[in-house]
Amino acid sequence: GAVVSQHPSRVICKSGTSVKIECRSLDFQATTMFWYRQFPKKSLMLMATSNEGSKATYEQGVEKDKFLINHASLTLSTLTVTSAHPEDSSFYICSARDQGSTNEKLFFGSGTQLSVL
Amino acid sequence: GENVEQHPSTLSVQEGDSAVIKCTYSDSASNYFPWYKQELGKGPQLIIDIRSNVGEKKDQRIAVTLNKTAKHFSLHITETQPEDSAVYFCAASGSNFGNEKLTFGTGTRLTIIP
Repeated sequence: GAVVSQHPSRVICKSGTSVKIECRSLDFQATTMFWYRQFPKKSLMLMATSNEGSKATYEQGVEKDKFLINHASLTLSTLTVTSAHPEDSSFYICSARDQGSTNEKLFFGSGTQLSVL
Repeated sequence: GENVEQHPSTLSVQEGDSAVIKCTYSDSASNYFPWYKQELGKGPQLIIDIRSNVGEKKDQRIAVTLNKTAKHFSLHITETQPEDSAVYFCAASGSNFGNEKLTFGTGTRLTIIP
């Protein structure tokens, strides 16, 4: 299947700092990528849909100024957690769909564990 | 919006036996149903998927069945092995190719007992 690379896999930061997470589609192009958040032993919660060349679409209750999304190319989307606080600590996962494929398969990155001290 | 329910939340199965996980969905317009396996600290991995024009799909030890009338679908794992231990998520999404969002179930923690 298609490969989605996500970095970093783990990050620890101080409260008040910003953290950037990268999501890359390695062997396909993706005009749309999705960002999820997952709490321990819980399901995946969609945060936003990242659209190449345009603004991201955020789910209800997700602060767009808190979670900045940039999708500057067909293979890269970034999520920046701004002014991080301990309650932002979570597992963040990106996903992408191969736009050149005729199926709906969605592939996920390996996730980023964010710990805010 | 779509609502996906998944049962059971935990499942323990003796190695070699079969495991079945069930999901129901609410939106009759949904027509794509993937299953993901997630190991600790990793992202979900697509293991099998099915579209609504098919009632069953099999890939080696894994099979998925879909009852569109009843709006439920199930994952079947046969001859379970210790490496099958993980959290499994079902999901559903809408009718057209493109950027439809997946709605996930709440997950099933499967433990294979050696």
